[in-house]
Amino acid sequence: AQSVTQLDSQVPVFEEAPVELRCNYSSSVSVYLFWYVQYPNQGLQLLLKYLSGSTLVKGINGFEAEFNKSQTSFHLRKPSVHISDTAEYFCAVSYNNNDMRFGAGTRLTVKP
Amino acid sequence: DGGITQSPKYLFRKEGQNVTLSCEQNLNHDAMYWYRQDPGQGLRLIYYSQIVNDFQKGDIAEGYSVSREKKESFPLTVTSAQKNPTAFYLCASRVEDAGDEQYFGPGTRLTVT
Repeated sequence: AQSVTQLDSQVPVFEEAPVELRCNYSSSVSVYLFWYVQYPNQGLQLLLKYLSGSTLVKGINGFEAEFNKSQTSFHLRKPSVHISDTAEYFCAVSYNNNDMRFGAGTRLTVKP
Repeated sequence: DGGITQSPKYLFRKEGQNVTLSCEQNLNHDAMYWYRQDPGQGLRLIYYSQIVNDFQKGDIAEGYSVSREKKESFPLTVTSAQKNPTAFYLCASRVEDAGDEQYFGPGTRLTVT
């Protein structure tokens, strides 16, 4: 069965420090990869997506992610976080049908 | 201004009552989705629809029903058969291709007591 694993349920970090949120997926076929952000009591907002081409994808708010096919990973990174980045982050994988699978989420808390 | 609207934002019901959550989109998207979100469990798919008058069950369809009479609208009914209905419900839409992202509404928090 297809699955998405976000390896950390919570990531606390100090302001201006770098952060990496990890995501692994299981698939034997080509996939499309997404990262979404959710602020409290709101819907999800797309940060970035990988469809094909360059494995390093840049998104909004200074985030970027790297697709690694051999490790089936799509980790999200930001070199310097702000208090306003505190939110829940979801990795999602879309397969060649109508199926999109979400990870369980990583709660990023940025401390002053 | 295109987007997805869900109403109401907060909904309270007594156990044993059916309740319908609204989802409307003006993005001209073909596909629409309903997810349930519980703490620490991510998003779980309830139902989805790729075209008017057609819909399919997702992973947790039991106790829920939907309709798709118009392209813009995809209401979800939480029936009294749903054993644990208290949750945050998210509606989403997408153009059609697997490479397209889903656009999400702001969500409805349902509390059943």
